[in-house]
Amino acid sequence: GAVVSQHPSWVICKSGTSVKIECRSLDFQATTMFWYRQFPKQSLMLMATSNEGSKATYEQGVEKDKFLINHASLTLSTLTVTSAHPEDSSFYICSSWETSTDTQYFGPGTRLTVL
Amino acid sequence: AQSVTQPDIHITVSEGASLELRCNYSYGATPYLFWYVQSPGQGLQLLLKYFSGDTLVQGIKGFEAEFKRSQSSFNLRKPSVHWSDAAEYFCAVGEFGNEKLTFGTGTRLTIIP
Repeated sequence: GAVVSQHPSWVICKSGTSVKIECRSLDFQATTMFWYRQFPKQSLMLMATSNEGSKATYEQGVEKDKFLINHASLTLSTLTVTSAHPEDSSFYICSSWETSTDTQYFGPGTRLTVL
Repeated sequence: AQSVTQPDIHITVSEGASLELRCNYSYGATPYLFWYVQSPGQGLQLLLKYFSGDTLVQGIKGFEAEFKRSQSSFNLRKPSVHWSDAAEYFCAVGEFGNEKLTFGTGTRLTIIP
């Protein structure tokens, strides 16, 4: 199947700093990527839909100024958590939609810990 | 709005025993249905999917799922589980033309020797 990578796999930062997470589709082009947040032992909550060349679409309740999404190319989307606080600590997972198989492929996730 | 229910939060099965994980969905038209597996600290891996056609779908790792429209269900089965199957399993539903998926709350599978 298609491969989606994320970098970094884990990151620890101080409160008030910003953290950037990269999501790449390695062997296919993705006009649409998704960003999810997963709390311990819970399901995935969709945060936003990232569209190449246009603004991201955020789900209700997600602060777009806090979670900045950029989808600059067909293989790369980035999520920047700005002015991070401890409550932003979570597991962030991205996914890319592979059109030839109509399937969403997921990255391995990034664990963010804000001290 | 579409929704997915996984009634079982946690299931424990003996190694070698059969497994069935339940999934019920709510959706007006014909859904796209998926089962994903997540190992600790990992992303999600696609096990199988249903779009149309044969209602019994075969997936990887010996898993299968059956789409039953009358019951709005898409249960996941495996005839004989292995210790490596211990993980979190998520059912998801999507719609044609919309790539957004809605996930169930997940079922944690524990395998005992």
